[in-house]
Amino acid sequence: AQKVTQAQTEISVVEKEDVTLDCVYETRDTTYYLFWYKQPPSGELVFLIRRNSFDEQNEISGRYSWNFQKSTSSFNFTITASQVVDSAVYFCALSEAKRHSGYSTLTFGKGTMLLVSP
Amino acid sequence: ETGVTQTPRHLVMGMTNKKSLKCEQHLGHNAMYWYKQSAKKPLELMFVYSLEERVENNSVPSRFSPECPNSSHLFLHLHTLQPEDSALYLCASSQDRPGQGLDTQYFGPGTRLTVL
Repeated sequence: AQKVTQAQTEISVVEKEDVTLDCVYETRDTTYYLFWYKQPPSGELVFLIRRNSFDEQNEISGRYSWNFQKSTSSFNFTITASQVVDSAVYFCALSEAKRHSGYSTLTFGKGTMLLVSP
Repeated sequence: ETGVTQTPRHLVMGMTNKKSLKCEQHLGHNAMYWYKQSAKKPLELMFVYSLEERVENNSVPSRFSPECPNSSHLFLHLHTLQPEDSALYLCASSQDRPGQGLDTQYFGPGTRLTVL
């Protein structure tokens, strides 16, 4: 069975601090995808990044960066110089392949609420 | 235009009411999903439609009835709900290809449902 663990329930930082959100996953699949989504107070889940299991290169997008390490089954997310607009719930998710069908299912972590104060 | 839209955004209903949630995707995708998000619980997958055929139903009570008339529209019909069904209901879509890689799911803004 697949499992995603986000051990940090809530993190509070002051603007301009760097913050790292942890994600640890479990799967028996050799091919899988990992995702991060952001959920602001409005409710919509906003896609941030997708990473496949064969690509362990770290990725940077502006103030966001992701560290994927298969050896520790982790896919951590760092926000550099945080801003108030970064306040949201962040979800890590793992995608399971349905090999005989054309769709995928996501297993989500419980989310980490990030509060950035001015 | 927003990729995935949901209406209504907020809904309050009594336990004996019948209502429907609507989801529309403008991304040309062929798979659509209903998720339930309750307070302090992980997102729960309810239903999956791929190529307009229901392919997964995660033990959802029969008081929730999905309908997918075409690849762009997805409904969730509600009847005789319970207060514990109050939650945020999220719709998502993706472009999936059998035997190939997994595509990203894109979500709508959700319908905040309150059952009195």
